Amino acid sequence: DVKVTQSSRYLVKRTGEKVFLECVQDMDHENMFWYRQDPGLGLRLIYFSYDVKMKEKGDIPEGYSVSREKKERFSLILESASTNQTSMYLCAIQYRDRGGYTFGSGTRLTVV
Amino acid sequence: KNEVEQSPQNLTAQEEEFITINCSYSVGISALHWLQQHPGGGIVSLFMLSSGKKKHGRLIATINIQEKHSSLHITASHPRDSAVYICAPHRHGDKLIFGTGTRLQVFP
Repeated sequence: DVKVTQSSRYLVKRTGEKVFLECVQDMDHENMFWYRQDPGLGLRLIYFSYDVKMKEKGDIPEGYSVSREKKERFSLILESASTNQTSMYLCAIQYRDRGGYTFGSGTRLTVV
Repeated sequence: KNEVEQSPQNLTAQEEEFITINCSYSVGISALHWLQQHPGGGIVSLFMLSSGKKKHGRLIATINIQEKHSSLHITASHPRDSAVYICAPHRHGDKLIFGTGTRLQVFP
């Protein structure tokens, strides 16, 4: 089974800081996704990528950007962190041939 | 109105009880996923189904495409089943959409 690794489980950052959240997969899957999860709202898609250097906006891209320079790594960037970006962030990959998903263990980000 | 509705939002059960979690959706889909999230955040995919029924151990998932409805059943529930269960339909030609989850607590 593919392994999806998110670099940090817990992160505390200050308002205005630039924040990088990293997601790394150990296989060759093209499709990668970043979600945020908030109580009562469920998971919401921020950005996704179908291949290297490709990126597409999800439902809530404002305040975020992404980078995919290598197939195995998909980075979420908060250019200037704000308190309303305090959330659980989850990365996922999709098996294109089978359609299933594997999720990372999540990064709980607190912006103070 | 949400595209995905789950019920109940919270569920408390005694060990060994039979549990059912329901999911209704309003869009056309190609498949539906059931996900499990334990405290601490990690999400595990339990099932992906596009018709009929699937079984894995004590877990059973069913889907009725015509009625736009899916159910997740847990037989002989156990405290280790305590988690949040999330229904996630996959829209045609599009991406996953998510229910807000059902929080299940199973007591000994």
